[in-house]
Amino acid sequence: DIQMTQSPSSLSASVGDRVTITCQASQDISNYLNWYQQKPGKAPKLLIYDASNLETGVPSRFSGSGSGTDFTFTISSLQPEDIATYYCQQYDNLPPLLTFGGGTKVEIK
Amino acid sequence: QLQLQESGPGLVKPSETLSLTCTVSGGSISSSSYYWGWIRQPPGKGLEWIGSIYYSGSTYYNPSLKSRVTISVDTSKNQFSLKLSSVTAADTAVYYCARHERKRGDYGLGYWGQGTLVTVSS
Repeated sequence: DIQMTQSPSSLSASVGDRVTITCQASQDISNYLNWYQQKPGKAPKLLIYDASNLETGVPSRFSGSGSGTDFTFTISSLQPEDIATYYCQQYDNLPPLLTFGGGTKVEIK
Repeated sequence: QLQLQESGPGLVKPSETLSLTCTVSGGSISSSSYYWGWIRQPPGKGLEWIGSIYYSGSTYYNPSLKSRVTISVDTSKNQFSLKLSSVTAADTAVYYCARHERKRGDYGLGYWGQGTLVTVSS
């Protein structure tokens, strides 16, 4: 089974800061990685698919990069509405099997 | 606008079977472009994919839950369902249904229900 290690588990940053979250796969997953934002009491929202593609309607301050085993999610300028927990999610192709990372809670300093 | 809505008992006794249904509106569950899945989240914890189904009935399960999970689809009602057997307190969670990409190839979960809390307790 592929394990996804997300770090840090939480972070505190100021409005306007650049925020970076990493996700490491236990083996090569190519670019089969998605990123989600989950606000308290709400369902997750897909932000990035296939490691670096921005989902329609998602602000451009969100971005993703990486391939193989190491991936990065970035918020270029943290906004108050970005307070949430962010999850990476790996998928196996054919058959589709999904695995989530442990999550990163982002707070405002 | 696509909407998904979970329904089912909020309280299940230990050793019994948890049953939930997801009703899809604003779109057809029979689309070849998507899978339909179940994800859960224990209180205060992270997300866990349970399994997914294609409208044809093909199913894909999390290996760690496979022995206890059955997902089915009813295209005539635009619904899909989850059954989880032999539940314990560890199965207490918010259960979400969601649509995920198939044709685009990334399996991204783009539409979610609001989630329903299921508590396992006697």
